[in-house]
Amino acid sequence: DVVMTQSPLSLPVTLGQPASISCRSSQSLVHSDGNTYLNWYQQRPGQSPRRLIYKVSNRDSGVPDRFSGSGSGTEFTLKISRVEAEDVGVYYCMQYINWPRTFGQGTKVEIK
Amino acid sequence: EVQMLESGGDLIQPGGSLRLSCAASGFTFSSSAMSWVRQAPGKGLEWVSSISGSGDSTYYTDSVKGRFTISRDNSKNTLYLQINSLGVEDTAIYYCAKTTAFDVWGQGTMVTVSS
Repeated sequence: DVVMTQSPLSLPVTLGQPASISCRSSQSLVHSDGNTYLNWYQQRPGQSPRRLIYKVSNRDSGVPDRFSGSGSGTEFTLKISRVEAEDVGVYYCMQYINWPRTFGQGTKVEIK
Repeated sequence: EVQMLESGGDLIQPGGSLRLSCAASGFTFSSSAMSWVRQAPGKGLEWVSSISGSGDSTYYTDSVKGRFTISRDNSKNTLYLQINSLGVEDTAIYYCAKTTAFDVWGQGTMVTVSS
């Protein structure tokens, strides 16, 4: 199985300041078709998960542009340029190049 | 608007069975693979099972193989998860998600396994 490792697991952030979450996979997520199958999800308290970013860096419809994804191969990053109160929650990376689909442990973002 | 609405969750004794349903709307259901993902209380996300649009191909995480069965009825735009031989470790919110990239999620249905 592809192991997804996120860091940090807890991220206290000041409103208006940037935040960055790292995700590492145990093997390359680059498919032979040229795509890299790595998504990011946000789960606000008491809500279902919501996809933010697909294939490393593509924002889903309605996702604010303060969210950005980057990376390649086995190393990926989700950045929030200026954290807002509504960004509080847990963020997960997920790989879908292989079965079983696997998620990172989650990173809890909270306001200082 | 793409929507999924899960149902069927319940409090059930160990060893029991349950069938979860997910009613989908707002997209061409028969063209879309579908998935189930679960989340134990206070824990992270765990992929459980996926099924192709036609229903011909199914996939399961190892811990549920032989106990869970995913299926779909494309005439009813509905996804199912039959769960048998339930154990306390199956206690979780079960979400249905569109595709195997989980692009849209339902609100979830709670399954509690307890004596």
